[in-house]
Amino acid sequence: QKEVEQDPGPLSVPEGAIVSLNCTYSNSAFQYFMWYRQYSRKGPELLMYTYSSGNKEDGRFTAQVDKSSKYISLFIRDSQPSDSATYLCAMNPGNNRKLIWGLGTSLAVNP
Amino acid sequence: DAGITQSPRHKVTETGTPVTLRCHQTENHRYMYWYRQDPGHGLRLIHYSYGVKDTDKGEVSDGYSVSRSKTEDFLLTLESATSSQTSVYFCAISESGGATDTQYFGPGTRLTVL
Repeated sequence: QKEVEQDPGPLSVPEGAIVSLNCTYSNSAFQYFMWYRQYSRKGPELLMYTYSSGNKEDGRFTAQVDKSSKYISLFIRDSQPSDSATYLCAMNPGNNRKLIWGLGTSLAVNP
Repeated sequence: DAGITQSPRHKVTETGTPVTLRCHQTENHRYMYWYRQDPGHGLRLIHYSYGVKDTDKGEVSDGYSVSRSKTEDFLLTLESATSSQTSVYFCAISESGGATDTQYFGPGTRLTVL
């Protein structure tokens, strides 16, 4: 079993939909959780990070962490075609510099 | 791409030849990383550096070596390229290497080994 599981999709939604992207993890030591966005043929870029259970909002994006269930989510409200990308979760137990990455979920938002 | 360039951007080579990929940063960040990204495997860390001449292995370091003689440059060498090393290679940098430190990625190098 991988330390981080992420459904690769692809996920296809109409413009304006609410999108939910998820990762599960097995290592209860993980403390820091990130979401990166990767456009086609580009490098990943950090979207959001959290280090505690609960929600964190940034514009149309909300990151949610449930440590008891070892489950993290990224919600995108009012999705736009420009949100079409691959979304990767990444996490870190805090005692080293190596991020553990999910496979990424490919999202297409259709006009 | 946060002041990170990678060269070459595309390369096709033959099995058994040595290949060197270059990452150059203008941010003066201490940490530099080499990843490979493959379908079904995601991003995997090959090697990373925490200062000039200071490097360490990642999870898929076999067949790769690195060098960092200047803060701004991190080289990845495939000693004798194999078809299994066909991949997209990303360089990343971070300021302090801490758990919450953002990693900034370069544009990637697409390598094909025939």
